[in-house]
Amino acid sequence: NAGVTQTPKFQVLKTGQSMTLQCAQDMNHEYMSWYRQDPGMGLRLIHYSVGAGITDQGEVPNGYNVSRSTTEDFPLRLLSAAPSQTSVYFCASSRTSGGANEQFFGPGTRLTVL
Amino acid sequence: EDQVTQSPEALRLQEGESSSLNCSYTVSGLRGLFWYRQDPGKGPEFLFTLYSAGEEKEKERLKATLTKKESFLHITAPKPEDSATYLCAVRRGSNSGYALNFGKGTSLLVTP
Repeated sequence: NAGVTQTPKFQVLKTGQSMTLQCAQDMNHEYMSWYRQDPGMGLRLIHYSVGAGITDQGEVPNGYNVSRSTTEDFPLRLLSAAPSQTSVYFCASSRTSGGANEQFFGPGTRLTVL
Repeated sequence: EDQVTQSPEALRLQEGESSSLNCSYTVSGLRGLFWYRQDPGKGPEFLFTLYSAGEEKEKERLKATLTKKESFLHITAPKPEDSATYLCAVRRGSNSGYALNFGKGTSLLVTP
């Protein structure tokens, strides 16, 4: 099992550009989510999904879009990048049943917006 | 509103010097308290889940405990490889699904 994979590992964008951060998991997990991690702020939830075709907003959703067409993939789209979106982005996944609901995290994407 | 506060923000220990990290929380309907370890430049790595007051879990030199208001991560005879940031998170039963609310972490440095 590869677990949770994220691409790219690093990205530099100019203000106004758009891009998609990719996330995939091979554990057949129903729940997937995106967090951003900023110095002194901790991890904050952007969007999440409890299954294919179902997504919802987290704590800081503005400027980001998500979709979930398959169980495995959960891409995060930046519509028009802003310097405030400079951050490290983590994708996570977990089961939603069976009691053990710990979330497994990917290695992260470090994004810089100039 | 849910709150998760970790202390101290940073901790420096000598190898073999045991200590504890604290995670205090306020949440309605706790559905799990989670501890993660995060190494620089990497994603958080799952350590423990605790569900009810009085529960304890151990893994090597780490032991996590839970009360109704806080959790402790006890580190016994730490080694330099235990150096990392330790994150605490809570999950609550609500319409937010399985979302985790994280604290800001404790950065642990263990020196030889």
